[in-house]
Amino acid sequence: EAQVTQNPRYLITVTGKKLTVTCSQNMNHEYMSWYRQDPGLGLRQIYYSMNVEVTDKGDVPEGYKVSRKEKRNFPLILESPSPNQTSLYFCASSLSGTGGPVAEAFFGQGTRLTVV
Amino acid sequence: TQLLEQSPQFLSIQEGENLTVYCNSSSVFSSLQWYRQEPGEGPVLLVTVVTGGEVKKLKRLTFQFGDARKDSSLHITAAQPGDTGLYLCAAWAGGSYIPTFGRGTSLIVHP
Repeated sequence: EAQVTQNPRYLITVTGKKLTVTCSQNMNHEYMSWYRQDPGLGLRQIYYSMNVEVTDKGDVPEGYKVSRKEKRNFPLILESPSPNQTSLYFCASSLSGTGGPVAEAFFGQGTRLTVV
Repeated sequence: TQLLEQSPQFLSIQEGENLTVYCNSSSVFSSLQWYRQEPGEGPVLLVTVVTGGEVKKLKRLTFQFGDARKDSSLHITAAQPGDTGLYLCAAWAGGSYIPTFGRGTSLIVHP
């Protein structure tokens, strides 16, 4: 089954404690991205990757890091989480990232992160 | 990043009613997508439109891309409780790798 798998689904952590949210896709997609979803603000892209070892900033990259060492995996790293990073996070993958039919994004089920 | 305005923000209707959701911008987009998101899940693609004036139908859902590719609408005929969810539009400016998402329309269809 084609899918994007995120882990964990829920995470409560304390300010400053480094954490990683994993994301894996089994569709051989080149383009992967991370979003955060906040009430009233919608989905905002954090980082994206066009292929292995190629990553770039989205709209809200501050406080986040990513890596793309393998095509299927795209982890999101919070080196020093702060309460304003409390949010619902989604990983997504698609064939391409420039829009059009090949940019159909397959989303993971989300990770609800709370930073206290 | 381009601005994408969705309206209405909330919609609560009875089963069988029709509704239209709008996605508007002052910018021109190369393509636009509509997604539906259910509670606790990630968004799922409904349709992609790329040509100005394009109309696509998906059962009771009709999607239209404006002639100038600055706006889009989603019309649902005879809404059902299963249509309940958050509807999101997402659009790409030409050559951009960063899509702009609207803030979403939360639809509740009461039996």
